[in-house]
Amino acid sequence: KAGVTQTPRYLIKTRGQQVTLSCSPISGHRSVSWYQQTPGQGLQFLFEYFSETQRNKGNFPGRFSGRQFSNSRSEMNVSTLELGDSALYLCASQGGGASGELFFGEGSRLTVL
Amino acid sequence: QKEVEQDPGPLSVPEGAIVSLNCTYSNSAFQYFMWYRQYSRKGPELLMYTYSSGNKEDGRFTAQVDKSSKYISLFIRDSQPSDSATYLCAMRGSGAGSYQLTFGKGTKLSVIP
Repeated sequence: KAGVTQTPRYLIKTRGQQVTLSCSPISGHRSVSWYQQTPGQGLQFLFEYFSETQRNKGNFPGRFSGRQFSNSRSEMNVSTLELGDSALYLCASQGGGASGELFFGEGSRLTVL
Repeated sequence: QKEVEQDPGPLSVPEGAIVSLNCTYSNSAFQYFMWYRQYSRKGPELLMYTYSSGNKEDGRFTAQVDKSSKYISLFIRDSQPSDSATYLCAMRGSGAGSYQLTFGKGTKLSVIP
């Protein structure tokens, strides 16, 4: 069974640009979450989608947005990039059940210059 | 005060040692407690999951949750060099409709052969 796939794995952008990151969850999983990981703040929750609906959002500015498609694939977008947006962006899929076990992808490492 | 506190280490131990990793938290609504392991340049992978208070053992790993003290632990017996990684505690409440996790910042562990 294929795991969570994130693309691209690495990317470099300059301040003011925008970026779109993609996530394909495990087959059959309908819930996708996004987290930002930085050395200073650790993993911080961005948003969570289930069946194309955002059902939870973290404390990030409106420059961070996301969506989920009918096939459960998800994208997140960051507009007007700032230096502080440099981070590892992790996508996780969840298959249901009380435990809420999240399966993470390997992440997209964004560097903003 | 952050909701979840975790000593970042680094922690260095000789092969075969018993390792103790800990987290404290402030939100009494947390009901699900997890430990993730993250190797360099990889996404986090779930090691242990515990619901409410108690102990859970899986091979060389034991997770303990003391809700009265708001304190969780992960013990690794007979540690191996392959255990060298960053260990993240994570937790969430039991509310329906979201699997959002709150993470500690992670403890970096090195097991020296």
